[in-house]
Amino acid sequence: EPEVTQTPSHQVTQMGQEVILRCVPISNHLYFYWYRQILGQKVEFLVSFYNNEISEKSEIFDDQFSVERPDGSNFTLKIRSTKLEDSAMYFCASSEAYRPGGSWVSNQPQHFGDGTRLSIL
Amino acid sequence: QKEVEQNSGPLSVPEGAIASLNCTYSDRVSQSFFWYRQYSGKSPELIMSIYSNGDKEDGRFTAQLNKASQYVSLLIRDSQPSDSATYLCAVKKDSNSGYALNFGKGTSLLVTP
Repeated sequence: EPEVTQTPSHQVTQMGQEVILRCVPISNHLYFYWYRQILGQKVEFLVSFYNNEISEKSEIFDDQFSVERPDGSNFTLKIRSTKLEDSAMYFCASSEAYRPGGSWVSNQPQHFGDGTRLSIL
Repeated sequence: QKEVEQNSGPLSVPEGAIASLNCTYSDRVSQSFFWYRQYSGKSPELIMSIYSNGDKEDGRFTAQLNKASQYVSLLIRDSQPSDSATYLCAVKKDSNSGYALNFGKGTSLLVTP
């Protein structure tokens, strides 16, 4: 069964450094997402991406964060100048889209990768 | 702030029993509802999606949705020890600009042999 893959599985970075988390979404999916989960807390939405642009972002996704689809398969999350509170599991997800009545809308289930555990020291 | 509420548990059920997990949501315009299972230290794994009022069955799992009461539930029949995990309720409003899943904190389920 197709799956979302994420690398690395664990990233340890010094505070203030930049980190790039990588994801390969399921090949026929058109919507891509990043979520994070701080230890013991709920899964939180960061950003969604469609047609090479951000379609929605949360308050968490400030200027420190950026996303990119550098080629036809990868989807990346960059965190500039990391802070201690950025330590969390970061999940990439993807979903299909359908087109009712002429408008592209996605309410298809989102499938999650195994996550990257980011530890900021 | 639109919220998704779940009892944190743990909910303990004996093997073979029915486990009932509940979720309420505050945003009335929500249209899509999902249940995910998350084992400790792992990623959310999709179990079921439900979009219309009523019941939806898939194997041992039944999702129930009542939009008037803003309530969604998951029943697990013939519970197995391998079902022990945290179950996450996720809600998404459908619009051309809304794609985010809003998760509850999850209910911890323990199935005892």
